[in-house]
Amino acid sequence: AQTVTQSQPEMSVQEAETVTLSCTYDTSESDYYLFWYKQPPSRQMILVIRQEAYKQQNATENRFSVNFQKAAKSFSLKISDSQLGDAAMYFCAYRSDRDDKIIFGKGTRLHILP
Amino acid sequence: DGGITQSPKYLFRKEGQNVTLSCEQNLNHDAMYWYRQDPGQGLRLIYYSQIVNDFQKGDIAEGYSVSREKKESFPLTVTSAQKNPTAFYLCASIGERLGDTQYFGPGTRLTVL
Repeated sequence: AQTVTQSQPEMSVQEAETVTLSCTYDTSESDYYLFWYKQPPSRQMILVIRQEAYKQQNATENRFSVNFQKAAKSFSLKISDSQLGDAAMYFCAYRSDRDDKIIFGKGTRLHILP
Repeated sequence: DGGITQSPKYLFRKEGQNVTLSCEQNLNHDAMYWYRQDPGQGLRLIYYSQIVNDFQKGDIAEGYSVSREKKESFPLTVTSAQKNPTAFYLCASIGERLGDTQYFGPGTRLTVL
């Protein structure tokens, strides 16, 4: 069975600095999708970025980028120029291309220090 | 606007009572999900449904039941058999294309007194 592990329960970063959130996963499949979701205090889940496993190029969305290492089964999220609005819980998620089941990590709570 | 609605936002029930949480989507998505979120636990899958009149148990289905009579609706019933029902419940849906993003409702906070 697939698993997703986020080893950092909490992290803090100074405003305007860069922070990297870690995510590793375990799967025997070759085709799948990976996601980072953000959950602010409102608790609304918001998609931050997605990555297709068959693409070697790392996904980027404005200040958010990923470091996807397929062989190492690692999918870290880098947030550049951190802003106060980035403070939230961040979840890494895995989706197989075979079914609709999605596996979530336990999350990393990110604090932004002014 | 297309989206997922969950109602109510806050729900209080007495211990021993069944309670049904509503989830409706107008995204024309086939697959719908229910998750439970507890502090430090992330999102845990309760049930999911890929088509009308069919659903599968997730990792923590005991004490819960669902129905999928319409494509747009996927209500979750928290039964009195659920030992610790106080939690935040999230409903989600996803499109049929591989790799589609999952969309989430705003959630319902259930407190059992």
